Amino acid sequence: DAGVTQSPTHLIKTRGQQVTLRCSPKSGHDTVSWYQQALGQGPQFIFQYYEEEERQRGNFPDRFSGHQFPNYSSELNVNALLLGDSALYLCASSLPLGELFFGEGSRLTVL
Amino acid sequence: RKEVEQDPGPFNVPEGATVAFNCTYSNSASQSFFWYRQDCRKEPKLLMSVYSSGNEDGRFTAQLNRASQYISLLIRDSKLSDSATYLCVVTSRGGSTLGRLYFGRGTQLTVWP
Repeated sequence: DAGVTQSPTHLIKTRGQQVTLRCSPKSGHDTVSWYQQALGQGPQFIFQYYEEEERQRGNFPDRFSGHQFPNYSSELNVNALLLGDSALYLCASSLPLGELFFGEGSRLTVL
Repeated sequence: RKEVEQDPGPFNVPEGATVAFNCTYSNSASQSFFWYRQDCRKEPKLLMSVYSSGNEDGRFTAQLNRASQYISLLIRDSKLSDSATYLCVVTSRGGSTLGRLYFGRGTQLTVWP
């Protein structure tokens, strides 16, 4: 049983570019959450998707957007990248109210 | 004020030592509490849930004090493999019934031989 898978694992972008990160949830999970973890910090909640809708959103600007597909997979898009967007982006899947399982993350470096 | 405050450490202890981590949370309406473990450059993984009555899992004991909004984790007989960052986590209910997690910044533990 595959766990949460994320792609790409590492990527480098320059300021002003756009990036799309992808996540496939654990089998049977229908809820996907995205977190940003800067170096030396704990993960910060970006948003959560359930039934293809954004259900909750953290304190992130509109440059951060997402999508959930009918198969429950999800994408995180970040536009107009800033140096401060460099971080580990974690996807977590769960059943509603269930334990979150995290993927290994996508490490984004913005130059 | 941050939702969850943790001493970042680092804690450097010898094998066999007992070490305690603490954290405080600001939202008295927080519903559930956890400790996660994160190895270097890896994803966080659930270590244990925390209950008001206190709970134990082998060498690990977690305590919650709702009145003081304080959570603790005690590790006894530390092993080299316990070296990791320990994240204090609370949940808060949003507009729906689905909870989001609030993470502390983590406390780094290194156990040396």
